Amino acid sequence: NAGVTQTPKFRVLKTGQSMTLLCAQDMNHEYMYWYRQDPGMGLRLIHYSVGEGTTAKGEVPDGYNVSRLKKQNFLLGLESAAPSQTSVYFCASSYNRPLISYEQYFGPGTRLTVT
Amino acid sequence: SQQGEEDPQALSIQEGENATMNCSYKTSINNLQWYRQNSGRGLVHLILIRSNEREKHSGRLRVTLDTSKKSSSLLITASRAADTASYFCATDAGETSGSRLTFGEGTQLTVNP
Repeated sequence: NAGVTQTPKFRVLKTGQSMTLLCAQDMNHEYMYWYRQDPGMGLRLIHYSVGEGTTAKGEVPDGYNVSRLKKQNFLLGLESAAPSQTSVYFCASSYNRPLISYEQYFGPGTRLTVT
Repeated sequence: SQQGEEDPQALSIQEGENATMNCSYKTSINNLQWYRQNSGRGLVHLILIRSNEREKHSGRLRVTLDTSKKSSSLLITASRAADTASYFCATDAGETSGSRLTFGEGTQLTVNP
């Protein structure tokens, strides 16, 4: 099992450019998440999904969009990148049962710099 | 705003010593989880403790939870240089969907050989 993989690992964008980050998991997890981590801080939830075809906003959703067309993939899009979106982005997935939460499995991260 | 707050922000110890990290949170929770992050890597889950549990062990890890004080502690016994990492607590408020976690800012642990 590869677990959770993220593509790309690094990217440099100019202000105003767009890009899509891809997350894939092979554990048949229903739940998937996108976080950002800034220096000296914990992770902040951007968007999440509780199943194929569903998405929901997290703590810091502005400037990002997501799609979950396939159960194993969760895409994070930046339509018009801004320097404030310079960060390390982590994808995670988890198993689920109603009202019972489980540990999240994280990908290795994507380091994004917006100049 | 961050739900969990870790204390201390940084901890430096010698190999073989015990390391204790604390986490405080603000609202009621369903469970609390601890994660480790090595430099430049993703987070790895260490242990999950549910709101009706007071203590849990996993190898050299011991986690306690005091829901009346809204606090948790992570104890790593007989530390090793390989334990050098950032440690995060994360709380699950028990919403009906999403298993959403709120992370603290982390404790940077350095274990000197």
